[in-house]
Amino acid sequence: DAGVTQSPTHLIKTRGQQVTLRCSPKSGHDTVSWYQQALGQGPQFIFQYYEEEERQRGNFPDRFSGHQFPNYSSELNVNALLLGDSALYLCASSLDNRAGEQFFGPGTRLTVL
Amino acid sequence: GESVGLHLPTLSVQEGDNSIINCAYSNSASDYFIWYKQESGKGPQFIIDIRSNMDKRQGQRVTVLLNKTVKHLSLQIAATQPGDSAVYFCAESLNDMRFGAGTRLTVKP
Repeated sequence: DAGVTQSPTHLIKTRGQQVTLRCSPKSGHDTVSWYQQALGQGPQFIFQYYEEEERQRGNFPDRFSGHQFPNYSSELNVNALLLGDSALYLCASSLDNRAGEQFFGPGTRLTVL
Repeated sequence: GESVGLHLPTLSVQEGDNSIINCAYSNSASDYFIWYKQESGKGPQFIIDIRSNMDKRQGQRVTVLLNKTVKHLSLQIAATQPGDSAVYFCAESLNDMRFGAGTRLTVKP
């Protein structure tokens, strides 16, 4: 049984560019949450998707958007990248639309130059 | 805004000793708390959780204690092993999940 998978593993972009990160949840999970983890910090909640809709959102600007597909996989899009967007982006899946016991993927390391 | 925080950023223990990692939270409405372990280059890994209607919960070598009076959460690791070396995060959940800054646990052989 595959756990949460994320792609790509690493990504380098320049300021102003756009990026799309992808996540496949653990088998059987229907809820996907995205987090941003800056170096030396705890993960910060970006948003959560359930039934293809954004259920909750953290304190992130509209440059951060997402999508959930019918197969429960999800994408995180970031537009107009800033240097401060450099971080590890984590995807977590869970069984229902509550945070509950979340299973995290290995993350995508985004570097903005 | 209210947030979850940790008392100490680093903790160093001798192999075989017990470890205690502390966490303070400020949102009294939070009803679910989780401890995660994050090893270098990996995502956080669930260790143990506790709901607000409980004071203590035990797992394999780990115990979580919740003191709602002082809004304090702790993780106890028994007989700490080198493989326990990692960053430990507490997180609180009401509608979303909020993480603390983390404590780095180093186990000395």
